[in-house]
Order: sequence, then C-alpha cells, then structure tokens
Amino acid sequence: DAGVIQSPRHEVTEMGQEVTLRCKPISGHNSLFWYRQTMMRGLELLIYFNNNVPIDDSGMPEDRFSAKMPNASFSTLKIQPSEPRDSAVYFCASSPPLGGGAGLNIQYFGAGTRLSVL
Amino acid sequence: KQEVTQIPAALSVPEGENLVLNCSFTDSAIYNLQWFRQDPGKGLTSLLLIQSSQREQTSGRLNASLDKSSGRSTLYIAASQPGDSATYLCAVPAGGTSYGKLTFGQGTILTVHP
Repeated sequence: DAGVIQSPRHEVTEMGQEVTLRCKPISGHNSLFWYRQTMMRGLELLIYFNNNVPIDDSGMPEDRFSAKMPNASFSTLKIQPSEPRDSAVYFCASSPPLGGGAGLNIQYFGAGTRLSVL
Repeated sequence: KQEVTQIPAALSVPEGENLVLNCSFTDSAIYNLQWFRQDPGKGLTSLLLIQSSQREQTSGRLNASLDKSSGRSTLYIAASQPGDSATYLCAVPAGGTSYGKLTFGQGTILTVHP
C-alpha cells in the first residue's frame, strides 16, 4: 500500500485566496483525521471522520475551515478565505477499524502539506 | 481537558548512549498511549502503542513503559545511533465516542551525534 497520500506537498498562496488540501487514506481504513502542526501550538487535531461521517470537529478553528469526506477514499480540507496565521503543516492520518474493543487506534500519517499564506 | 507534557524538549547525546524520554499526562483514564517519531519534513510514524492494561512494550532497541496511576510514560532507547535523530512525540486518546481524538505532547527533539 502507498500509505496515506496528501496533495499538494507545498502550497503558497496569498491572503484571501481559497486553499484546498486533499487526502487519500489507506484502503480499508475507516477513520480519517486532519491535523495542523505549528511551532507555537504543536500538533492539533482539527477534525476526524469515522465511516465518512464527521465525529469531532471541535478543533476546527473557525468557519473559514471546512472538511468533507464524500467517500471512503477521499477527503478535503478547505480554507476560505486564507489568512497568514493559517500557515502551518497540515497532516492527514487514517486508522483501521477497531478490533477487540476500543483503544487499538494506531494512526498512519501522510507526509503533510506545508501551507504558506503570504 | 487532557494535557500531555514531554521532558526534555531537546536532547543531544553521543552515539551509543542509552537514553530516556519522558511523557506525562493529566487524565489517567486513557485507553492507550502511543509513541511516534517524526523526521524533519515528514509525517509521524507510530513506534509503539501500549494498551492501558499493559505496563510496557518493546520493539527492537525501543522500550516504552506506562504507569497510568502516576500519569507517566517513558521511552527508553538503547545503544542510540545517529539514525535515531528525530522528534519523538507521545499521544493519548480521549475516551468515549472520541476515542480517535489524540492529544499530543510537544515532542522531544533528539540528536545523536557520531
């Protein structure tokens, strides 16, 4: 398996523009996570989906951020309009169905998208 | 609210040394704890996952321990090598329906010099 695939790897845009980040989870995984990593705040969970349904979006910073998962093999994270403070590395991760009870939730991370908003 | 703290923030050691990375968490009601490795410009790779019922897990030169009652975990790296240089993060999941939500520590930046 190719692992979790994110695109683009790098994105440079101007303030006010719309940005769309894409993620393809590992085949067979039913949970998908979007994270943001910055030097100041570390790694933060933005939103996660289980069986294509958003379960927890409490980490989404504001209405400018939205995420969708139209099917089991694709998800997007959109920022509209983008601001310089959105500059960060955005990671997508996926995990397989739980087995033998809650807790076994190893997450597999993509290589990330480095976003720079000028 | 769960908080995860890692000490030290950075560590530099000569090759061959045994070392210990520390992780503490405020809410001991966890299902498991994971240790991850992150190389510069890359995503995270899961190293070890310890279930709440376990006290330790081993993988090669890595050994992770868990003491739920005291809210602590340690990652022991034996005979360190330059290839071990990376950032090491620990993470714990929230409970209930948010079991997939991980809270991460800030990480320990490890440098192993030849």
